[in-house]
Amino acid sequence: EAGVTQFPSHSVIEKGQTVTLRCDPISGHDNLYWYRRVMGKEIKFLLHFVKESKQDESGMPNNRFLAERTGGTYSTLKVQPAELEDSGVYFCASSQDLYGPTETQYFGPGTRLLVL
Amino acid sequence: DQQVKQNSPSLSVQEGRISILNCDYTNSMFDYFLWYKKYPAEGPTFLISISSIKDKNEDGRFTVFLNKSAKHLSLHIVPSQPGDSAVYFCAASARLKAWGNGNKLVFGAGTILRVKS
Repeated sequence: EAGVTQFPSHSVIEKGQTVTLRCDPISGHDNLYWYRRVMGKEIKFLLHFVKESKQDESGMPNNRFLAERTGGTYSTLKVQPAELEDSGVYFCASSQDLYGPTETQYFGPGTRLLVL
Repeated sequence: DQQVKQNSPSLSVQEGRISILNCDYTNSMFDYFLWYKKYPAEGPTFLISISSIKDKNEDGRFTVFLNKSAKHLSLHIVPSQPGDSAVYFCAASARLKAWGNGNKLVFGAGTILRVKS
């Protein structure tokens, strides 16, 4: 079974440009999460989809960030325009059973974003 | 305000000995705790979890202990192996509170474990 995949693995852009990150969750996983790790600090929650619906977007930093999950499969996270403080590693995670006692979130390898 | 804290940035142990990684939390609504392991250039990999109704969970060489009154949990690795060298993240979630509204994880900053052979 394929794991969570993310594209691109690395992205270097200039301040003010736009970047779109993509996440493909594990097949059949309705839950999809975005997290971010900045400067080697803690991994912070950004938002959560259940299928195509945004369940919780309380972690989104500001309106320069836009996440979508059309059709309830893959998700994109767009940053427009990018700022220096957006640099970091963006992780995507997916899980199958939100209400089960053993729901486990499986993480992708991350996209390393550097804004110059 | 950091709700999950891993106060030791790094830990070095000898192969074959016990590794103990610690984690403290402040939010009493947290009722589910997880440990993830992360190698460089990879995403976090789930290791072991524990529900707040338990105080211990064991899986092979890995055991997680939870002390609710102290709001403290620890991960024990016995015996430690060189392949265990990685960053270990403690994470927590408030499942009951979040029922029907998501299950976001709150992470600590991680502890770098180095197992020397």
